[in-house]
Amino acid sequence: EAQVTQNPRYLITVTGKKLTVTCSQNMNHEYMSWYRQDPGLGLRQIYYSMNVEVTDKGDVPEGYKVSRKEKRNFPLILESPSPNQTSLYFCASRSRLQETQYFGPGTRLLVL
Amino acid sequence: GIQVEQSPPDLILQEGANSTLRCNFSDSVNNLQWFHQNPWGQLINLFYIPSGTKQNGRLSATTVATERYSLLYISSSQTTDSGVYFCAPDQTGANNLFFGTGTRLTVIP
Repeated sequence: EAQVTQNPRYLITVTGKKLTVTCSQNMNHEYMSWYRQDPGLGLRQIYYSMNVEVTDKGDVPEGYKVSRKEKRNFPLILESPSPNQTSLYFCASRSRLQETQYFGPGTRLLVL
Repeated sequence: GIQVEQSPPDLILQEGANSTLRCNFSDSVNNLQWFHQNPWGQLINLFYIPSGTKQNGRLSATTVATERYSLLYISSSQTTDSGVYFCAPDQTGANNLFFGTGTRLTVIP
C-alpha cells in the first residue's frame, strides 16, 4: 500500500531535549516536505526536498533541521525544542512526474 | 512568500446544496493545489491545477493564474464533505507550497 509514515504519532517532551520525527515513503517519490499546522495559521512549510541531498528552507525553518540521505526518508530534527514548537507536524511526498501529493498521518508534539 | 487568502473562512450547508470556495494569491505561481482535511485530520490532495478547469465527480476547480485566483466548486454536498479546504500555490515548481488558512465547511443532514 502506497503510504507516508511518521513516527512517533504523539510526543511530549521538555524544552531543550533533542528529538527526531521520522518520515518514510514507499513510493519512490523525489519530492518530500515537512509542514506544521497551528490553529488559525493553516499549514506552513518548514523544509522541502527535491531529491537526495537536496533540501531547501520553507516558510518557517528556524529551529528545525532536516536531512535527505536516502530517497525514502526525510527526518525532521529539533535540536533544542522550545514551547513555541508545540504543533501538529505533517510530512508529505510527491513524485516529480505526477500531481498527487501524499500526506502522512501527522505527529502531535507538545513541548513543555 | 506568497500571501494566500481564502474565503469564506466558515461555511455551513444543508446536505445537497452547492458551494463555491475562493482562493486569492498575491503573486504569480507555478502551480496550485487544493486539499481537503477531514475531521480526523487526514489531508487529501483534491486537485493540482495551475490553470484551467478540472473536474472530479462532484468537485471541480478553476484557476485563473493571470488574475491570481482559484475556485473550488462542490455540488450536491454530502456530510462527508465536511472538513477544512486548503488551497496551496507553489511559486517555484519544486513543491514549495504556501497554504491559505482554509475554509471550514460543515454539511448538515
